[in-house]
Amino acid sequence: GESVGLHLPTLSVQEGDNSIINCAYSNSASDYFIWYKQESGKGPQFIIDIRSNMDKRQGQRVTVLLNKTVKHLSLQIAATQPGDSAVYFCAEIKAAGNKLTFGGGTRVLVKP
Amino acid sequence: EPEVTQTPSHQVTQMGQEVILRCVPISNHLYFYWYRQILGQKVEFLVSFYNNEISEKSEIFDDQFSVERPDGSNFTLKIRSTKLEDSAMYFCASSRGEGNTIYFGEGSWLTVV
Repeated sequence: GESVGLHLPTLSVQEGDNSIINCAYSNSASDYFIWYKQESGKGPQFIIDIRSNMDKRQGQRVTVLLNKTVKHLSLQIAATQPGDSAVYFCAEIKAAGNKLTFGGGTRVLVKP
Repeated sequence: EPEVTQTPSHQVTQMGQEVILRCVPISNHLYFYWYRQILGQKVEFLVSFYNNEISEKSEIFDDQFSVERPDGSNFTLKIRSTKLEDSAMYFCASSRGEGNTIYFGEGSWLTVV
């Protein structure tokens, strides 16, 4: 799970502030998108998903926005907490398939 | 909460040796996967498995790799003759069906020396 060597964009955010993580996807045939959180040395943990027939979906403290016109996905985390510090990956699945293609990831660092 | 479990958590093996990584997917799931993550890189798809056969595989999944569901609960990844470049974290995952959320295990860290 470590991303040493990978030049990840890093988002530093003050505890309690909101975070916005962005992702651009390339395959216009993708119809299902998932955000995963990966803590150091652990597996990707599902956060929230959205299908291509929606443009917004909300979960507990998280919101995913999908803009199909510009092939852009974002994850908003409200009231960011120290436990939110991790690498966040967006992933896409093409229609009629099950293969996840992961994006490059964004590291979120929450400052107390 | 049901989860995907993997063993071993860490294995060190000599180049050329065979390795078997084991996984117990979530019990009512029908699709099973292996992904890998080389240190410092993205998570990459290796193979998907459904109805006792491979449904899709990547170019990484060459003849050195094989998967098996030996019984009703386990799902294994075998690397026949390991190479140094096989060193990576290997994640097993499962989903209920096509287009459903894919859940990952905690990974098996393989080090080939």
